Amino acid sequence: NAGVTQTPKFQVLKTGQSMTLQCAQDMNHNSMYWYRQDPGMGLRLIYYSASEGTTDKGEVPNGYNVSRLNKREFSLRLESAAPSQTSVYFCASSEAPTGSREGYTFGSGTRLTVV
Amino acid sequence: DAKTTQPPSMDCAEGRAANLPCNHSTISGNEYVYWYRQIHSQGPQYIIHGLKNNETNEMASLIITEDRKSSTLILPHATLRDTAVYYCIVRVIDQTGANNLFFGTGTRLTVIP
Repeated sequence: NAGVTQTPKFQVLKTGQSMTLQCAQDMNHNSMYWYRQDPGMGLRLIYYSASEGTTDKGEVPNGYNVSRLNKREFSLRLESAAPSQTSVYFCASSEAPTGSREGYTFGSGTRLTVV
Repeated sequence: DAKTTQPPSMDCAEGRAANLPCNHSTISGNEYVYWYRQIHSQGPQYIIHGLKNNETNEMASLIITEDRKSSTLILPHATLRDTAVYYCIVRVIDQTGANNLFFGTGTRLTVIP
């Protein structure tokens, strides 16, 4: 019972490099989310996908793009990494977008350092 | 922005009840209150949620005031493994129906032996 799986777990990038963070869930959830967490801070929503085929911006979308590849997978791309994007990135999913009372299931995070 | 206010930190003796308060004075009638916790650097873990009635599950109890402007998460017998940051969140549903949760900085609970 894997839940939400994120890859990679750790990554070091040089400024200007690009990379894609992968997220997959096996719970048949409709909605998926990407958050970032800076040291000593709470989580901030980057992008979300209410259902397959839709994506929308959250609180801090600048510098990121997302793709909802299918119902299971939701990827986050950094086109040109900057030191300000050094953070821990969490992916989450939830069962249904509308009227749902279910909580989120989170992945274990990707620790990204941009030097 | 998060619409909740929590104390930044609390201590609790092991075996005692931990009572974590949360203010959400601008909550709307159809918004739920959720509680999550984050142990060390792991992904947040769902604890409990409620609308207006008090709720209890195997992890905790949630007490919501009658006016719904505040709530309290109760861990009945705190253990060292309950040391974590606890987030009180009001759930927002946007126009697409996404179940967005906005996290604040939470309360860092330290359970003391």
